[in-house]
Amino acid sequence: EPEVTQTPSHQVTQMGQEVILRCVPISNHLYFYWYRQILGQKVEFLVSFYNNEISEKSEIFDDQFSVERPDGSNFTLKIRSTKLEDSAMYFCASSEALGEPNNEQYFGPGTRLTVT
Amino acid sequence: GIQVEQSPPDLILQEGANSTLRCNFSDSVNNLQWFHQNPWGQLINLFYIPSGTKQNGRLSATTVATERYSLLYISSSQTTDSGVYFCAVGSGYSTLTFGKGTMLLVSP
Repeated sequence: EPEVTQTPSHQVTQMGQEVILRCVPISNHLYFYWYRQILGQKVEFLVSFYNNEISEKSEIFDDQFSVERPDGSNFTLKIRSTKLEDSAMYFCASSEALGEPNNEQYFGPGTRLTVT
Repeated sequence: GIQVEQSPPDLILQEGANSTLRCNFSDSVNNLQWFHQNPWGQLINLFYIPSGTKQNGRLSATTVATERYSLLYISSSQTTDSGVYFCAVGSGYSTLTFGKGTMLLVSP
């Protein structure tokens, strides 16, 4: 069964450093998403991406964040200058469409980012 | 935005018991998904159920969209069912809004 993959599974970085989290969505999916979960809290939406542009973003997704689809398979989340509060699990997801019945979002296993 | 409330927040069961988890939401939805978060933090898709009823083994789910709630049933619970169960809903656009989850502990 097709699945969303993410690399790395765990990343440790120092405050102020740039990080790039990578995702490979399911191949026939057109909509891509990033979510994050701070330890012990609920999962929060960051950004959605369609047709090579951001379609929606949350208040969390400020100028420190950017997303890109550099080629036909990868989808990346970049954090330019990491802060301690960016420590979280970051999930990538993809869906085939926006409407029923093909809008189910499939989640990757996550990247645990630790900022020291 | 849409509000999602899950209950109960915590649940402790003996192995073999049955349980019902509830998800209430504040607006009409075109997406509702149930997830199980395992001890490694991975979100496992359980059900995609914006309406109707589905069953998968010992788990089943029902969404009554007109009354804005969904139920997840776990029968004959096992210790491996322990973890956090999240309900997430979407309405109109692509965003999924998650509830705070139900922490389930199944003891042997």
